[in-house]
Amino acid sequence: DSGVTQTPKHLITATGQRVTLRCSPRSGDLSVYWYQQSLDQGLQFLIQYYNGEERAKGNILERFSAQQFPDLHSELNLSSLELGDSALYFCASSSQGGGTEAFFGQGTRLTVV
Amino acid sequence: GQSLEQPSEVTAVEGAIVQINCTYQTSGFYGLSWYQQHDGGAPTFLSYNALDGLEETGRFSSFLSRSDSYGYLLLQELQMKDSASYFCAVTSGSARQLTFGSGTQLTVLP
Repeated sequence: DSGVTQTPKHLITATGQRVTLRCSPRSGDLSVYWYQQSLDQGLQFLIQYYNGEERAKGNILERFSAQQFPDLHSELNLSSLELGDSALYFCASSSQGGGTEAFFGQGTRLTVV
Repeated sequence: GQSLEQPSEVTAVEGAIVQINCTYQTSGFYGLSWYQQHDGGAPTFLSYNALDGLEETGRFSSFLSRSDSYGYLLLQELQMKDSASYFCAVTSGSARQLTFGSGTQLTVLP
């Protein structure tokens, strides 16, 4: 158990809908990262937060947004969903602003139908 | 931006040694790390190199050459359970962003 909790584990929704994925980092970790992994693909970096503030942005679509709350949990919002958004979405946390080791949650498998 | 290259697939037999290479291009480089991911599972941390040289952790070793923007993961005494995807990742930039390569699928044959 990495200590990072993601909910829900599975999500099936229709095109055009909006969903929210939740991540609770390891206790004490200030950095949260979000990644998208499509079938047999690598981990695409979406966005990074540190202590409530956005630190870095990857190739995140405008339809996607995220935030990190004062209690350090983070949410990834995906709207106007398309079939191509079907993927595993991982959250990871680390103790500082990145560096030695990131701990991953079990992921949310999103299926858009 | 950042870019990383690693082979897409590697096959080896049980008990053998395999090396997975990774080359990267980035600015503000801090370090290179390696992660293992079994099918459908969460990536798990294997090693991190910030300085040139070899780091050894049990059957796994990782090497970094900052001047060559190159590193590798060495897996010794391969076991069937080592069959997985292996990702190299760079930590870079003022935000210490963690960017992953596309992954190498390792298949260990009996």
